[in-house]
Amino acid sequence: NAGVTQTPKFQVLKTGQSMTLQCAQDMNHEYMSWYRQDPGMGLRLIHYSVGAGITDQGEVPNGYNVSRSTTEDFPLRLLSAAPSQTSVYFCASSGDRGLGIQYFGAGTRLSVL
Amino acid sequence: RKEVEQDPGPFNVPEGATVAFNCTYSNSASQSFFWYRQDCRKEPKLLMSVYSSGNEDGRFTAQLNRASQYISLLIRDSKLSDSATYLCVVNRVDSSYKLIFGSGTRLLVRP
Repeated sequence: NAGVTQTPKFQVLKTGQSMTLQCAQDMNHEYMSWYRQDPGMGLRLIHYSVGAGITDQGEVPNGYNVSRSTTEDFPLRLLSAAPSQTSVYFCASSGDRGLGIQYFGAGTRLSVL
Repeated sequence: RKEVEQDPGPFNVPEGATVAFNCTYSNSASQSFFWYRQDCRKEPKLLMSVYSSGNEDGRFTAQLNRASQYISLLIRDSKLSDSATYLCVVNRVDSSYKLIFGSGTRLLVRP
């Protein structure tokens, strides 16, 4: 019973490096999203998707790209990592349109040096 | 002002105690409200939705006060396993898919 799977769990990058955080869900959910969580700030929405081929920006999209080629996968790409992107990243999916019931992955802890 | 505000705590209570958290939201047009629970270094999980009439799930009771724009969570007979951070969540008015998360209230239940 996988649910939402994120990889990797931990990552250390140097400033300027790029990488992709993977997210996959097996619940056939249309809606997927990426959040970052920083101390004292709550989760902030980076990008989201309401279905394959459709993505949109959240509150803090700068420095990140996403794509949604399939219902199952929603990768998040860091274009040129900066220390300000040090954070915990969560991917979530939802099958309940508008009800806010989201299922989260276990998170990726990213440090940018 | 944050769109969703919570007292960060921590609330430190003995087992068996009753504890209540409040959360205020700034946009009066918000329609959907939730409490999520997040254990240390884990992902958030839905605890319960909050309905206008109030709702109860075992030891947990959620209330919504639209006039004052706050929601509350009451935990009765606290257990050690209730120790966690409780996140207040409100939908964005411009899109039901966008949620606004409070920064959370930390609860510590001691033996």
